[in-house]
Amino acid sequence: ETGVTQSPTHLIKTRGQQVTLRCSSQSGHNTVSWYQQALGQGPQFIFQYYREEENGRGNFPPRFSGLQFPNYSSELNVNALELDDSALYLCASSLAQGEVPLHFGNGTRLTVT
Amino acid sequence: ELKVEQNPLFLSMQEGKNYTIYCNYSTTSDRLYWYRQDPGKSLESLFVLLSNGAVKQEGRLMASLDTKARLSTLHITAAVHDLSATYFCAVNSNFGNEKLTFGTGTRLTIIP
Repeated sequence: ETGVTQSPTHLIKTRGQQVTLRCSSQSGHNTVSWYQQALGQGPQFIFQYYREEENGRGNFPPRFSGLQFPNYSSELNVNALELDDSALYLCASSLAQGEVPLHFGNGTRLTVT
Repeated sequence: ELKVEQNPLFLSMQEGKNYTIYCNYSTTSDRLYWYRQDPGKSLESLFVLLSNGAVKQEGRLMASLDTKARLSTLHITAAVHDLSATYFCAVNSNFGNEKLTFGTGTRLTIIP
């Protein structure tokens, strides 16, 4: 049990739709990172939020956006879904800025049809 | 751009045998991580290696880091079925960047 919870666990969307994934960070952790893991591949860094501001971004287009809230929960939003967005989305929290996350949530499996 | 390569990608081994997974990375880093992932599950942190020559052991798994060679190894001793999983190494560059770059993973299957 890592203390990081994600919802929903599974989601099916249609190409062109928008989706919001949610993450509840471990208590006291003010940094949250999101990763995308396509089937059979390693996770890829999407972005990180620290104190409600984006703090580092990977190679993902602007249609991937996020929010972090004062209670340390966060959201990942993806607009104009494409088939290639089908993946496992992982959230991880860290105690402080600059700390690499060691504890990941169970993920949300997104399928785009 | 930091690249992380693992080999082998797939490994099938008998119970009781020893084997090593290799992780090479392309740019300077002083921190390397090993994770385990079971099918359909999230990532479980196994080891954090922070300096050259670091060695850590937990049960039948031992990880080491050679920063000069940009190489980490995960050694499995006397494998048991419960170790079947996919193993990822990940590197954090030493620029104070929080981003983890993962390898492609090694899918390990232990055969009775």
